[in-house]
Amino acid sequence: ETGVTQTPRHLVMGMTNKKSLKCEQHLGHNAMYWYKQSAKKPLELMFVYNFKEQTENNSVPSRFSPECPNSSHLFLHLHTLQPEDSALYLCASRQSRLAGNEQFFGPGTRLTVL
Amino acid sequence: AQSVTQLDSQVPVFEEAPVELRCNYSSSVSVYLFWYVQYPNQGLQLLLKYLSGSTLVKGINGFEAEFNKSQTSFHLRKPSVHISDTAEYFCAVSPNTNAGKSTFGDGTTLTVKP
Repeated sequence: ETGVTQTPRHLVMGMTNKKSLKCEQHLGHNAMYWYKQSAKKPLELMFVYNFKEQTENNSVPSRFSPECPNSSHLFLHLHTLQPEDSALYLCASRQSRLAGNEQFFGPGTRLTVL
Repeated sequence: AQSVTQLDSQVPVFEEAPVELRCNYSSSVSVYLFWYVQYPNQGLQLLLKYLSGSTLVKGINGFEAEFNKSQTSFHLRKPSVHISDTAEYFCAVSPNTNAGKSTFGDGTTLTVKP
């Protein structure tokens, strides 16, 4: 595997379910991000991790719980979601040691909450 | 804080015609500027970036962009588009004091018609 991978690619869940999204980067980067992309809305930054430490939480509801066990893996644990949480969830990584480095994105998980 | 405005939400153009996608930004500090492209069912990928130096930046797939500090703009251009350029394009800005925190524009949908 190369780049940034995300699993699953598609997820349908009920409002009472608990599920997790997984992201893995094979680029040796030290920063990882979760974004939410909804139709007709700008890309929303949710969480940022640098060297496994959370450095940004953009006022995300507690029903979204991130976990970063190491610099290569990032999870987003989901529980008691709402239908408005249906969106494309994108993971990205970046090498933060060099200024101006861009983010590398995974293909996303398309989440539908019924 | 910084903000990004993509002036056109949709740009339809015929194949082999030139195209310009417009991006204006505001920031109280110096910034790095990026253009990303998102093809259907994929994550974002970098087209080009401006960090410093020459204001004309060349990227992949024949795209280029010009940084204009006085007008705080970073417009994306291509002299002749192909059907395969149909995608969503995002302009992003990062402060050079915290290059990992990008602010994205709302996106411009480029549709290339035969």
